[in-house]
Amino acid sequence: EAGVVQSPRYKIIEKKQPVAFWCNPISGHNTLYWYLQNLGQGPELLIRYENEEAVDDSQLPKDRFSAERLKGVDSTLKIQPAELGDSAVYLCASSFGTGELFFGEGSRLTVL
Amino acid sequence: GENVEQHPSTLSVQEGDSAVIKCTYSDSASNYFPWYKQELGKRPQLIIDIRSNVGEKKDQRIAVTLNKTAKHFSLHITETQPEDSAVYFCAASRGGSYIPTFGRGTSLIVHP
Repeated sequence: EAGVVQSPRYKIIEKKQPVAFWCNPISGHNTLYWYLQNLGQGPELLIRYENEEAVDDSQLPKDRFSAERLKGVDSTLKIQPAELGDSAVYLCASSFGTGELFFGEGSRLTVL
Repeated sequence: GENVEQHPSTLSVQEGDSAVIKCTYSDSASNYFPWYKQELGKRPQLIIDIRSNVGEKKDQRIAVTLNKTAKHFSLHITETQPEDSAVYFCAASRGGSYIPTFGRGTSLIVHP
């Protein structure tokens, strides 16, 4: 069975440019999470979806970050415009409600 | 919200020694405590978890203990091997919503 798939794995952009990350969760997992992981830190929740509904987005900086999960499957996280401090790994995870999160490999963003 | 503290940040042991990583949490309503292992450049993966209705859980060389009164839980790895070298994250969440708050991580280094 395929795991959580994220793309791109790596992205280097100039500051003020837009960037988008894509996540395909494990089939049948209704819950999808986007986490931010800074170097040497634990993952921090940005947004959580139950099917297509964003149920926890209080930590998402809505002035520049947006996310969507159309049809309750794939999800996209967008940053526009990117700032230097956005350099980090963006982790997507999915779950079928028992507690265990299944993470993707992450998308490493470098903003120059 | 929940706050999870994790210690130590780095742990260096000799192969065959035991390793202990400790975490505390702040939200008395938290009742699910997973531990994730993240190898360099890889995705975090669940290695063991414990729910608040038990005080200890073992799986081969790893065990987790929970003290609800003290809001404290620990990961124990016995007979460490070089392949145990990784970053370990503890987390706490409420069952039902399963939104884990992660600790900052412990870098475990096992020297052959």
